[in-house]
Amino acid sequence: SQTIHQWPATLVQPVGSPLSLECTVEGTSNPNLYWYRQAAGRGLQLLFYSVGIGQISSEVPQNLSASRPQDRQFILSSKKLLLSDSGFYLCAWSDGLAGGPNEQFFGPGTRLTVL
Amino acid sequence: QKEVEQDPGPLSVPEGAIVSLNCTYSNSAFQYFMWYRQYSRKGPELLMYTYSSGNKEDGRFTAQVDKSSKYISLFIRDSQPSDSATYLCAMTYSGGGADGLTFGKGTHLIIQP
Repeated sequence: SQTIHQWPATLVQPVGSPLSLECTVEGTSNPNLYWYRQAAGRGLQLLFYSVGIGQISSEVPQNLSASRPQDRQFILSSKKLLLSDSGFYLCAWSDGLAGGPNEQFFGPGTRLTVL
Repeated sequence: QKEVEQDPGPLSVPEGAIVSLNCTYSNSAFQYFMWYRQYSRKGPELLMYTYSSGNKEDGRFTAQVDKSSKYISLFIRDSQPSDSATYLCAMTYSGGGADGLTFGKGTHLIIQP
């Protein structure tokens, strides 16, 4: 069965510090991978998605970036955090099969607080 | 107009009641409709999905889609305190691509013991 991991689970960082969140998926090959941010009252905001190694699509302009160095690894980064970057960050995967429902399966999330 | 509308709640009902959660949408191209359950401080968990119009049942949960009205529902029978969570609807269309899911903002459900 497939498993998705995220770490760290919680993170408190000062404004202006760098960020690196990691997501890995087990039990599947060539998944589509996603980074979302969830803020109170704002729902799930898609930040980035990737259909393959080195292929990143950005949905929202911001000071965050994403990378996919390996098939089942997805990393969210920032060089300098802003207060507005606080939130609950979720990684998700889907099987990427054409014509299917593309249901996404989520990781446990990382709660980021920027002070 | 937002693509997917969902009442944020909170919706509070007594244990054992039938719960009805709903979403409306504007894009008639949507064909796949999903429901996720999210407990506090956890990632969303896929409950079920349906394709096109009709009903789908899974235990105490029934998903219903009315494409003519652009309206979807999730019914929970014999609700339990453990059903207390935020429920998000999501939808996409066939061949919609990797970024295809459109989410509602979620309804916060509270089941009172």
